[in-house]
Amino acid sequence: DVKVTQSSRYLVKRTGEKVFLECVQDMDHENMFWYRQDPGLGLRLIYFSYDVKMKEKGDIPEGYSVSREKKERFSLILESASTNQTSMYLCASSHGREADTQYFGPGTRLTVL
Amino acid sequence: GQNIDQPTEMTATEGAIVQINCTYQTSGFNGLFWYQQHAGEAPTFLSYNVLDGLEEKGRFSSFLSRSKGYSYLLLKELQMKDSASYLCAVRDSNYQLIWGAGTKLIIKP
Repeated sequence: DVKVTQSSRYLVKRTGEKVFLECVQDMDHENMFWYRQDPGLGLRLIYFSYDVKMKEKGDIPEGYSVSREKKERFSLILESASTNQTSMYLCASSHGREADTQYFGPGTRLTVL
Repeated sequence: GQNIDQPTEMTATEGAIVQINCTYQTSGFNGLFWYQQHAGEAPTFLSYNVLDGLEEKGRFSSFLSRSKGYSYLLLKELQMKDSASYLCAVRDSNYQLIWGAGTKLIIKP
């Protein structure tokens, strides 16, 4: 079974703090993704990566950055958290260049006060 | 722009059949996915369609018509555990997934 884990299920931070969200997958998948999920909206892609040290912007990269130093780990960074970044953050991974089925982690519910 | 439309919420009775529709307008098409997401949990893969027609997998079936930009997910013999949100996603010409907002399915006894 594919397993995607995320470092925290719930996180509360203050405006202006630097926030790190970690994601690890154990299936040697090339592709990793960060989404945010908000009520009434579909999943929105923040950043994705097709390989180690590679990253590409998704639909809503503003206010975020990512790091992929190892194949199994993909980190999402909020340089200076703001209240509009309060959301559910979902990490996913998939195998293959043409984005096969994506497998999701349990999500991190981030609240920025 | 790219758009995926699905009903916000549906209600059905345990043991019955329900059909959740999804219509899409995207830049290209390279397949359509259905995912199930229980409250507070991760989305999990249900089905994938890339050719027109019906794909059956146990109690769940998914249909695709590319010419109409339309898909549906059919759930038979509904069980209480089927209460969840069902997400439709289309892979566009860049092989990126475009997601619908999801349909919350409520099952009543």
